[in-house]
Order: sequence, then structure tokens, then C-alpha cells
Amino acid sequence: NAGVTQTPKFRVLKTGQSMTLLCAQDMNHEYMYWYRQDPGMGLRLIHYSVGEGTTAKGEVPDGYNVSRLKKQNFLLGLESAAPSQTSVYFCASSYAREGEAFFGQGTRLTVV
Amino acid sequence: GEDVEQSLFLSVREGDSSVINCTYTDSSSTYLYWYKQEPGAGLQLLTYIFSNMDMKQDQRLTVLLNKKDKHLSLRIADTQTGDSAIYFCAEAHTGKLIFGQGTTLQVKP
Repeated sequence: NAGVTQTPKFRVLKTGQSMTLLCAQDMNHEYMYWYRQDPGMGLRLIHYSVGEGTTAKGEVPDGYNVSRLKKQNFLLGLESAAPSQTSVYFCASSYAREGEAFFGQGTRLTVV
Repeated sequence: GEDVEQSLFLSVREGDSSVINCTYTDSSSTYLYWYKQEPGAGLQLLTYIFSNMDMKQDQRLTVLLNKKDKHLSLRIADTQTGDSAIYFCAEAHTGKLIFGQGTTLQVKP
């Protein structure tokens, strides 16, 4: 049972490049989340999904897009990366609206 | 809107009790959570409390909830060096989990 798996674990991008972060969960959870973690700012919610085919904006959605075509996968896209998007990105999933969230190990992204 | 606030740093000596505090703004939150993050890892749920409870105890952990003041605290008894980590409080609000900034707990031997 892998839980929540994020791919890749590390990535360096040049300004203006695009990339997609993949989150996969094998727990049949309905809810999935993308957060970014920056020093002194905790975790800030980027986008989230309450079920397959649905997405919604969180606190800091600008510059990111998401898709949830399959229940087990939640993709986070950066169309044109900026240095301000340098961060550690965490994906999480939950079985219920107010249930325990299970986190992936994080993706460390550096935009130069 | 929803907002969760925590102090950023706490230092204690091994064997002492640690108390980490949190304030939140959404009085309709049903559950409030404490998560722990060890270096280089994701977050893991430590404990949670229902909004209709005042206190919850789980081994060395005690959670206190003051709904009137919207204040949540986590007490760790007999703090050990292995408790050194970042601790996040979080509230669940309309399908979203909102986290505080995290409190770094440093445990000195």
C-alpha cells in the first residue's frame, strides 16, 4: 500500500518553462489537495478537488492549473514557471470532507 | 475568511512539557487537527479534536480547545529529542484543510 506518491521528488526549471507534478493515491480517496510550503508561511492551499472531474481554487491558485481526470490522480501544472514558484509542493488526499489527510513526501522545485 | 495562526518557534529542555498554541477564525469548523512534520518528510496526523469537546488526551499528548476564544493548544508531556519537528494546527472548512504557519519545536538535551 503506497499511500500518496508524488513525482518527481526534485526538479530545477528555468524561468518560463512548463512542467506537471503528478500525485497518485491508492486509497480510493475522494478529496485531493495541492499545497506549497515556504519558510515562515506554513502550507498554503493552491487547488483542491472534491471528486473525480472536479477542481477548485485555494488560497494561492495564480500561475497553476490542475486536473483530476481519474479519481486516483491529481495533476498540478505550471505553464510558465517563475522564481516565485520555487517551493516545496505537497499533495494530500482524504477520504472525507473533514477526514484525516495523508501527505506525499513532497516535490522540491527550484525555478532559476 | 479562514485563518489559522501559530507562533513560529518553541525551545524546551528534554523532559519538560511543551505547549504549542494556535488560534483560528472559523467557528463553524467541526474538526481541528495537529500534524507533525519531521525534516524532509510530509505531514502526519498526530491527533484531532471534535469541536464539541474541550479536551482530548492521547498518551503524552493533550489537546485543549477553547471555542469561545477560538484557541487550540497541544501539550506534549515529557518532551523527548525525537519530538523535535514542525507542528501544524489545521481546521477543516467546506472541504478545505487550512493550516497554520507551523511551530518549530526544538528540544535541547
